[in-house]
Amino acid sequence: AQSVSQHNHHVILSEAASLELGCNYSYGGTVNLFWYVQYPGQHLQLLLKYFSGDPLVKGIKGFEAEFIKSKFSFNLRKPSVQWSDTAEYFCAVTNDYKLSFGAGTTVTVRA
Amino acid sequence: ETGVTQTPRHLVMGMTNKKSLKCEQHLGHNAMYWYKQSAKKPLELMFVYNFKEQTENNSVPSRFSPECPNSSHLFLHLHTLQPEDSALYLCASSQEEQTTTDTQYFGPGTRLTVL
Repeated sequence: AQSVSQHNHHVILSEAASLELGCNYSYGGTVNLFWYVQYPGQHLQLLLKYFSGDPLVKGIKGFEAEFIKSKFSFNLRKPSVQWSDTAEYFCAVTNDYKLSFGAGTTVTVRA
Repeated sequence: ETGVTQTPRHLVMGMTNKKSLKCEQHLGHNAMYWYKQSAKKPLELMFVYNFKEQTENNSVPSRFSPECPNSSHLFLHLHTLQPEDSALYLCASSQEEQTTTDTQYFGPGTRLTVL
């Protein structure tokens, strides 16, 4: 069965620090990859997605993610975080039309 | 506002109660989903409806009963739940189920507490 691993459960960092969240998946075939974000008290919303083409994907709010097929990874990055980036981040992968989520990473940005 | 609304936002119920969760999407989508979100666990897909037909039941106990009267509305009927069913229940929609590139749009969820 498809599985998605997010290695960091909770990340705490200061404003202006760089952020990288790891995501690995287990399926070896064609996949589509997503990062969703859930701000405190808000609904889950799409941050960015990768279907094909350039493996470096740019999303909203200055986030980007890189698909490395050989490593089965889709890590999320932001060069300089803001306090408003405090949220829970979920990696998700589709395969056989099913969307599988990782357990999420809580990011706390200190002002 | 994602175009997917859920009511109620919070629900507390006893184990013998019967209640229903409602989801409505205003995006013209044809697929709707129920997920269960428990703390520090991946979102668990429960049910999928595509064009009003149930296409997925992910081994969900029968105390959870979905209903999809039309492509815009999705219900989750609850009865004789257990305390371990306490979680955030999320509804989502997408254009169609059988398209892997579709983005799913999520509602705000219903926070369910079973006493």
